[in-house]
Amino acid sequence: DAGVIQSPRHEVTEMGQEVTLRCKPISGHDYLFWYRQTMMRGLELLIYFNNNVPIDDSGMPEDRFSAKMPNASFSTLKIQPSEPRDSAVYFCASGVGEAFFGQGTRLTVV
Amino acid sequence: AQSVTQPDIHITVSEGASLELRCNYSYGATPYLFWYVQSPGQGLQLLLKYFSGDTLVQGIKGFEAEFKRSQSSFNLRKPSVHWSDAAEYFCAVGNNAGNMLTFGGGTRLMVKP
Repeated sequence: DAGVIQSPRHEVTEMGQEVTLRCKPISGHDYLFWYRQTMMRGLELLIYFNNNVPIDDSGMPEDRFSAKMPNASFSTLKIQPSEPRDSAVYFCASGVGEAFFGQGTRLTVV
Repeated sequence: AQSVTQPDIHITVSEGASLELRCNYSYGATPYLFWYVQSPGQGLQLLLKYFSGDTLVQGIKGFEAEFKRSQSSFNLRKPSVHWSDAAEYFCAVGNNAGNMLTFGGGTRLMVKP
């Protein structure tokens, strides 16, 4: 298995634009997680899914953030509209009891 | 609420020296505990985990960690550090299913030749 695959690896966008981050979890993993990593706040869990159903989204910072998992092999995290303070590395992870992380998407909002 | 504290933000050790990274957690029940390592520009890789049983757990790359309930600690150790161990290390606690990981702030390890 190629592991958790995230795209794009890097994204630079202008403030106010919509940003969509994508994730392909490891096949067979029932859980999918979205984390955000910043210098100020460290690693934060934004939302997680079980069997494609969102279980806990209490970490999603604002209504500008939304996440979907239309099927077992794909998830998106969308920010609309984006703001400079959203600049961070966003990680997707899958698994249970042992989360396997993707390489992350480095988002820069200018 | 669960929380993790890694008291040391930076640690520098000489190659070949022993290493101990500290981790203290707060969790109401029996915790699921993890150590991850992150190299620059990379995702997180699991080093080891503790769910139950033997309180001394072995991981990859020669790392081990000891769960001490009385001290709410889960310190990571390695007897002899290699230059390739330079990275950032994160301790995490999970809920009863190991989900919803809460991470500590991380410890950046530097290795002197």
